[in-house]
Amino acid sequence: DAKTTQPNSMESNEEEPVHLPCNHSTISGTDYIHWYRQLPSQGPEYVIHGLTSNVNNRMASLAIAEDRKSSTLILHRATLRDAAVYYCILRRYAGGTSYGKLTFGQGTILTVHP
Amino acid sequence: GAGVSQTPSNKVTEKGKYVELRCDPISGHTALYWYRQSLGQGPEFLIYFQGTGAADDSGLPNDRFFAVRPEGSVSTLKIQRTERGDSAVYLCASSSGGIQETQYFGPGTRLLVL
Repeated sequence: DAKTTQPNSMESNEEEPVHLPCNHSTISGTDYIHWYRQLPSQGPEYVIHGLTSNVNNRMASLAIAEDRKSSTLILHRATLRDAAVYYCILRRYAGGTSYGKLTFGQGTILTVHP
Repeated sequence: GAGVSQTPSNKVTEKGKYVELRCDPISGHTALYWYRQSLGQGPEFLIYFQGTGAADDSGLPNDRFFAVRPEGSVSTLKIQRTERGDSAVYLCASSSGGIQETQYFGPGTRLLVL
């Protein structure tokens, strides 16, 4: 799987937007960009994913660069509950196979201040 | 509905003992994954089941580790002759499959080998 690079940590204040960057310069055309987060003492949870176009859901937005070599997870108004480790993961489509192991990196530790 | 459950939540054992960790996936999910997470690291893939069969066990560290899913639902991860280095959180995830699948994680089993 192609590698992703994320900052080790970021900080935000409550109710402010947060932009979490991810670099994936070796991404291939069939790699989907997935984001998961892991709250303290819990298993990871899905946040959002995309291929080429920007995506929005109730949790966050995903902005994907035109060349797809980077992406940004956007939390529009951070809350204390958003404090977690955020993982940016590439997953390759392989000819119809529904195979989907996730390859986690170190992720970004997000701290949210009241 | 019920999420992924794992039992026990904590397990303390002595070096050399045998342990079994259980995962109950979300009902109807055909894909099941085991991951291991050491302190301060992202989860690391161990094994993937599609139905009853292990589709990919390339992440199992050695032959002391074995997993089964005999009826395509519940899975058990078995560790023989445990070593102190096996201490970690063992995470289970399930999904309904497909390239854009979302994996749903359980809370994990925290294993401590003394």
